[in-house]
Amino acid sequence: SQKIEQNSEALNIQEGKTATLTCNYTNYSPAYLQWYRQDPGRGPVFLLLIRENEKEKRKERLKVTFDTTLKQSLFHITASQPADSATYLCALPFSGGYNKLIFGAGTRLAVHP
Amino acid sequence: KAGVTQTPRYLIKTRGQQVTLSCSPISGHRSVSWYQQTPGQGLQFLFEYFSETQRNKGNFPGRFSGRQFSNSRSEMNVSTLELGDSALYLCASSPGEWDSQPQHFGDGTRLSIL
Repeated sequence: SQKIEQNSEALNIQEGKTATLTCNYTNYSPAYLQWYRQDPGRGPVFLLLIRENEKEKRKERLKVTFDTTLKQSLFHITASQPADSATYLCALPFSGGYNKLIFGAGTRLAVHP
Repeated sequence: KAGVTQTPRYLIKTRGQQVTLSCSPISGHRSVSWYQQTPGQGLQFLFEYFSETQRNKGNFPGRFSGRQFSNSRSEMNVSTLELGDSALYLCASSPGEWDSQPQHFGDGTRLSIL
Protein backbone atom coordinates (compact mmCIF):
# COMPACT_ATOMS: atom_id res chain seq x y z
CA SER A 1 0.00 0.00 0.00
CA GLN A 2 1.04 3.62 -0.49
CA LYS A 3 3.12 4.94 2.37
CA ILE A 4 4.66 8.32 3.22
CA GLU A 5 7.40 8.90 5.76
CA GLN A 6 8.42 12.19 7.26
CA ASN A 7 10.95 12.65 10.01
CA SER A 8 8.78 12.46 13.11
CA GLU A 9 11.41 14.10 15.30
CA ALA A 10 11.23 17.85 15.69
CA LEU A 11 13.73 19.89 13.76
CA ASN A 12 15.35 22.68 15.77
CA ILE A 13 17.34 25.32 13.93
CA GLN A 14 18.73 28.77 14.51
CA GLU A 15 17.11 31.83 12.97
CA GLY A 16 18.66 32.69 9.62
CA LYS A 17 19.65 29.13 8.79
CA THR A 18 18.11 26.91 6.11
CA ALA A 19 15.65 24.27 7.28
CA THR A 20 15.43 21.09 5.21
CA LEU A 21 12.54 18.67 5.68
CA THR A 22 12.29 15.26 4.03
CA CYS A 23 9.36 13.32 2.63
CA ASN A 24 9.88 9.76 1.41
CA TYR A 25 7.24 7.60 -0.21
CA THR A 26 7.00 3.98 -1.29
CA ASN A 27 4.97 1.67 -3.46
CA TYR A 28 3.80 4.01 -6.16
CA SER A 29 4.62 6.89 -8.48
CA PRO A 30 2.53 9.98 -7.73
CA ALA A 31 1.79 12.53 -10.43
CA TYR A 32 2.42 15.35 -7.95
CA LEU A 33 3.23 16.14 -4.36
CA GLN A 34 2.01 18.95 -2.12
CA TRP A 35 3.39 20.60 1.01
CA TYR A 36 1.24 22.14 3.74
CA ARG A 37 1.92 24.04 6.92
CA GLN A 38 -0.16 23.49 10.06
CA ASP A 39 -0.13 25.65 13.18
CA PRO A 40 -1.50 24.34 16.51
CA GLY A 41 -5.29 24.36 16.58
CA ARG A 42 -5.57 25.36 12.92
CA GLY A 43 -6.17 23.55 9.66
CA PRO A 44 -3.33 22.90 7.20
CA VAL A 45 -2.44 25.70 4.78
CA PHE A 46 -1.29 24.87 1.26
CA LEU A 47 2.25 25.99 0.44
CA LEU A 48 3.55 24.41 -2.78
CA LEU A 49 2.75 21.78 -5.37
CA ILE A 50 5.35 20.06 -7.52
CA ARG A 51 4.59 17.73 -10.41
CA GLU A 52 6.46 14.57 -11.37
CA ASN A 53 8.06 16.23 -14.40
CA GLU A 54 9.39 19.15 -12.31
CA LYS A 55 12.65 18.84 -10.46
CA GLU A 56 12.35 21.99 -8.39
CA LYS A 57 9.80 24.65 -7.46
CA ARG A 58 10.34 27.93 -5.62
CA LYS A 59 8.13 30.43 -3.86
CA GLU A 60 9.79 33.29 -2.01
CA ARG A 61 11.95 31.62 0.70
CA LEU A 62 10.53 28.17 0.02
CA LYS A 63 11.98 25.55 -2.31
CA VAL A 64 10.73 22.06 -3.03
CA THR A 65 12.51 19.31 -4.95
CA PHE A 66 11.02 16.09 -6.26
CA ASP A 67 13.23 13.10 -7.08
CA THR A 68 11.05 10.38 -8.57
CA THR A 69 14.00 7.97 -8.73
CA LEU A 70 14.74 8.26 -5.02
CA LYS A 71 11.01 8.61 -4.28
CA GLN A 72 11.77 11.64 -2.17
CA SER A 73 10.85 15.29 -1.84
CA LEU A 74 12.89 17.86 0.05
CA PHE A 75 11.36 21.06 1.42
CA HIS A 76 13.70 23.95 2.16
CA ILE A 77 13.05 27.19 4.03
CA THR A 78 15.91 29.63 3.58
CA ALA A 79 16.69 32.47 6.01
CA SER A 80 14.32 30.86 8.50
CA GLN A 81 12.44 32.98 11.03
CA PRO A 82 10.73 32.13 14.34
CA ALA A 83 7.41 32.71 12.53
CA ASP A 84 8.24 29.67 10.35
CA SER A 85 7.85 27.43 13.42
CA ALA A 86 5.02 25.01 12.65
CA THR A 87 4.36 21.45 11.53
CA TYR A 88 4.98 20.79 7.85
CA LEU A 89 3.06 18.04 6.07
CA CYS A 90 3.67 16.46 2.72
CA ALA A 91 0.75 14.97 0.82
CA LEU A 92 0.43 12.74 -2.22
CA PRO A 93 -2.64 11.68 -4.16
CA PHE A 94 -4.07 8.23 -3.72
CA SER A 95 -3.77 6.47 -7.05
CA GLY A 96 -7.02 6.71 -8.94
CA GLY A 97 -8.76 9.25 -6.72
CA TYR A 98 -9.56 12.89 -7.34
CA ASN A 99 -8.67 15.18 -4.45
CA LYS A 100 -7.95 12.15 -2.32
CA LEU A 101 -4.72 12.84 -0.47
CA ILE A 102 -2.57 10.73 1.78
CA PHE A 103 -0.66 12.83 4.29
CA GLY A 104 2.61 12.21 6.05
CA ALA A 105 2.72 12.47 9.82
CA GLY A 106 4.42 15.85 9.55
CA THR A 107 7.66 17.31 10.86
CA ARG A 108 7.57 19.93 13.58
CA LEU A 109 9.99 22.78 12.90
CA ALA A 110 11.15 25.10 15.68
CA VAL A 111 13.20 28.15 14.69
CA HIS A 112 15.01 29.71 17.62
CA PRO A 113 16.04 33.39 17.77
CA LYS B 1 -13.05 35.72 -0.22
CA ALA B 2 -14.18 34.07 2.96
CA GLY B 3 -12.33 30.88 3.85
CA VAL B 4 -13.69 27.46 4.67
CA THR B 5 -15.99 27.62 7.69
CA GLN B 6 -16.62 24.67 9.97
CA THR B 7 -19.19 24.55 12.74
CA PRO B 8 -19.20 23.93 15.57
CA ARG B 9 -15.56 24.42 16.60
CA TYR B 10 -15.87 22.20 19.66
CA LEU B 11 -18.24 19.40 20.52
CA ILE B 12 -18.52 17.01 23.44
CA LYS B 13 -20.60 13.86 23.08
CA THR B 14 -20.96 10.55 24.88
CA ARG B 15 -20.56 7.05 23.52
CA GLY B 16 -23.48 5.81 21.48
CA GLN B 17 -24.68 9.26 20.44
CA GLN B 18 -24.54 10.62 16.94
CA VAL B 19 -23.14 13.91 15.69
CA THR B 20 -23.41 16.12 12.62
CA LEU B 21 -20.62 18.47 11.57
CA SER B 22 -21.01 21.24 9.03
CA CYS B 23 -18.68 22.72 6.43
CA SER B 24 -19.17 25.75 4.20
CA PRO B 25 -16.62 25.80 1.37
CA ILE B 26 -15.04 28.78 -0.33
CA SER B 27 -17.53 30.39 -2.69
CA GLY B 28 -17.32 28.76 -6.11
CA HIS B 29 -15.65 25.59 -4.86
CA ARG B 30 -17.59 22.45 -5.71
CA SER B 31 -15.37 19.83 -4.08
CA VAL B 32 -15.47 19.23 -0.33
CA SER B 33 -13.27 16.64 1.36
CA TRP B 34 -13.34 15.50 4.97
CA TYR B 35 -10.35 14.33 7.02
CA GLN B 36 -9.91 12.97 10.53
CA GLN B 37 -6.79 14.03 12.42
CA THR B 38 -5.56 12.23 15.53
CA PRO B 39 -2.16 12.26 17.25
CA GLY B 40 -1.65 8.57 16.52
CA GLN B 41 -2.89 8.29 12.95
CA GLY B 42 -2.35 11.80 11.62
CA LEU B 43 -4.56 13.12 8.84
CA GLN B 44 -6.74 10.44 7.28
CA PHE B 45 -9.06 10.86 4.31
CA LEU B 46 -12.74 10.18 5.01
CA PHE B 47 -14.57 11.10 1.79
CA GLU B 48 -14.91 13.68 -0.93
CA TYR B 49 -18.01 15.17 -2.53
CA PHE B 50 -18.25 16.96 -5.84
CA SER B 51 -21.48 18.44 -7.14
CA GLU B 52 -23.53 16.59 -4.53
CA THR B 53 -22.03 13.17 -5.38
CA GLN B 54 -19.57 11.19 -3.30
CA ARG B 55 -16.62 10.81 -5.62
CA ASN B 56 -14.09 9.20 -3.26
CA LYS B 57 -14.21 7.30 -0.03
CA GLY B 58 -11.56 6.43 2.52
CA ASN B 59 -11.25 3.36 4.67
CA PHE B 60 -13.66 4.21 7.48
CA PRO B 61 -16.64 2.23 8.78
CA GLY B 62 -20.17 2.93 7.58
CA ARG B 63 -20.89 4.87 10.79
CA PHE B 64 -19.17 7.77 9.02
CA SER B 65 -21.30 9.32 6.32
CA GLY B 66 -21.67 12.61 4.58
CA ARG B 67 -23.62 14.57 2.07
CA GLN B 68 -23.33 17.69 -0.01
CA PHE B 69 -26.04 20.17 -0.82
CA SER B 70 -26.71 22.06 -4.05
CA ASN B 71 -24.91 25.13 -2.66
CA SER B 72 -21.81 22.91 -2.07
CA ARG B 73 -22.13 23.06 1.71
CA SER B 74 -21.42 19.68 3.23
CA GLU B 75 -22.28 17.81 6.39
CA MET B 76 -20.63 14.83 7.95
CA ASN B 77 -22.43 12.46 10.30
CA VAL B 78 -21.01 9.95 12.73
CA SER B 79 -23.42 7.54 14.35
CA THR B 80 -22.99 5.33 17.42
CA LEU B 81 -19.98 7.30 18.62
CA GLU B 82 -17.01 5.45 20.06
CA LEU B 83 -14.20 6.75 22.26
CA GLY B 84 -11.81 6.35 19.33
CA ASP B 85 -13.79 8.86 17.30
CA SER B 86 -12.34 11.67 19.41
CA ALA B 87 -10.40 13.73 16.89
CA LEU B 88 -10.11 16.94 14.96
CA TYR B 89 -12.36 16.73 11.91
CA LEU B 90 -11.20 18.91 9.04
CA CYS B 91 -12.92 19.77 5.83
CA ALA B 92 -11.21 21.13 2.76
CA SER B 93 -12.55 22.64 -0.42
CA SER B 94 -11.23 23.13 -3.93
CA PRO B 95 -12.72 24.01 -7.31
CA GLY B 96 -12.69 20.27 -8.01
CA GLU B 97 -12.78 20.09 -11.78
CA TRP B 98 -9.39 18.40 -11.97
CA ASP B 99 -7.00 16.64 -9.65
CA SER B 100 -3.96 18.24 -7.97
CA GLN B 101 -5.69 21.48 -6.97
CA PRO B 102 -4.61 22.86 -3.61
CA GLN B 103 -6.92 21.99 -0.76
CA HIS B 104 -8.19 24.88 1.38
CA PHE B 105 -8.81 23.67 4.90
CA GLY B 106 -11.05 25.00 7.61
CA ASP B 107 -9.86 25.07 11.22
CA GLY B 108 -11.81 21.96 12.08
CA THR B 109 -14.29 20.70 14.63
CA ARG B 110 -12.71 19.25 17.77
CA LEU B 111 -14.89 16.29 18.79
CA SER B 112 -14.43 14.78 22.23
CA ILE B 113 -16.21 11.57 23.22
CA LEU B 114 -16.75 10.90 26.93
